[in-house]
Amino acid sequence: DVKVTQSSRYLVKRTGEKVFLECVQDMDHENMFWYRQDPGLGLRLIYFSYDVKMKEKGDIPEGYSVSREKKERFSLILESASTNQTSMYLCASSLPPRVRSYNEQFFGPGTRLTVL
Amino acid sequence: GQQVMQIPQYQHVQEGEDFTTYCNSSTTLSNIQWYKQRPGGHPVFLIQLVKSGEVKKQKRLTFQFGEAKKNSSLHITATQTTDVGTYFCAGGSLMGGGNKLTFGTGTQLKVEL
Repeated sequence: DVKVTQSSRYLVKRTGEKVFLECVQDMDHENMFWYRQDPGLGLRLIYFSYDVKMKEKGDIPEGYSVSREKKERFSLILESASTNQTSMYLCASSLPPRVRSYNEQFFGPGTRLTVL
Repeated sequence: GQQVMQIPQYQHVQEGEDFTTYCNSSTTLSNIQWYKQRPGGHPVFLIQLVKSGEVKKQKRLTFQFGEAKKNSSLHITATQTTDVGTYFCAGGSLMGGGNKLTFGTGTQLKVEL
């Protein structure tokens, strides 16, 4: 089974702190994604990556950056956390369509981040 | 950018009643996927539809993809308490060779005995 793990289930940080959220997948997936989930807004894509060292902005990249130095690891960075970044953060991975037509995304358990 | 709306946002049903959630995209989709998120859990893939007008069934669940590939629906027949959760549609677009998905806002289903 595909396993996607996230470094923390719960995290509490203070405004202005630099925050690192780590995601690791064990199935050699090329694609990795970071979403935030807020009530009534569904899952919104922050950043995604199709390959090592490659990244593309999603729908809400402001205030975030990412790093993908190794294929299995995708990090989300909040350079200076703010209260409006309090949310559930979900990481996901998938194979590209050229490899598998059912390119479903596999999600990690999520990190609930609270910024005080 | 692409937007995917889902209705209703919430649905309470009595066990045994049917349930339907609808998904509409602002743009034509390459495919649509459906996910279920149990309370306290993470989204889990249910199915993918690719062809215009496609209909697929999984036991009591029926998924449809519209002719114009801009809308989709999920229908559950005779709901059970195990169906509780939030159902998300996700529209696929081919960008950069990957599978970027735009998720809908979700429909939260509650089933009462």
